[in-house]
Amino acid sequence: DAKTTQPTSMDCAEGRAANLPCNHSTISGNEYVYWYRQIHSQGPQYIIHGLKNNETNEMASLIITEDRKSSTLILPHATLRDTAVYYCIVRPPYNQGGKLIFGQGTELSVKP
Amino acid sequence: EAGVAQSPRYKIIEKRQSVAFWCNPISGHATLYWYQQILGQGPKLLIQFQNNGVVDDSQLPKDRFSAERLKGVDSTLKIQPAKLEDSAVYLCASSSLTSQQSSYNEQFFGPGTRLTVL
Repeated sequence: DAKTTQPTSMDCAEGRAANLPCNHSTISGNEYVYWYRQIHSQGPQYIIHGLKNNETNEMASLIITEDRKSSTLILPHATLRDTAVYYCIVRPPYNQGGKLIFGQGTELSVKP
Repeated sequence: EAGVAQSPRYKIIEKRQSVAFWCNPISGHATLYWYQQILGQGPKLLIQFQNNGVVDDSQLPKDRFSAERLKGVDSTLKIQPAKLEDSAVYLCASSSLTSQQSSYNEQFFGPGTRLTVL
């Protein structure tokens, strides 16, 4: 079973920041937080991951709380092409299986 | 760089028939995954290969599903016989061995095969 809880759906205005929350209160100290997204009729796509520190790349920023029980994915300037299902995943390290277990995700709708 | 290729993209069959899906991972990727995604749900891992060996098939319904990756490159997933509840999108993904063993495990997914069982 997925170890994360996400809202089922969210809306965001085009050009505004999209903040997608994720709860993972049972995360272990060596487990990573991964985010993938899935645009309609495509396979999932990796976005970003982190352990303790906040992370940023060309797609998004990941903010992880100090207690690591929750995180937020930030798309700084959402576009219509960011409309997708966003999955927050807690991944164990490789030597403990390393499986990606997808939950139901958050369906983000970016509106003009 | 070519992505993960899958075929066919769509398949419609009657229940109790057989079906096979094909996947060609990204060149050089040692690890290959098959996922099943039922409508409205996230993908569920069916089987994971490393080269031509099975790493994890704990979620594969072995009475009807089989998969192989004979030369450590292409893979096929077969369902025989199909049931109504097998209607889903079957996704193939691959990752490099180095990536798999590090904290950074980016799995690259193909477009999937949408199976409808009538």
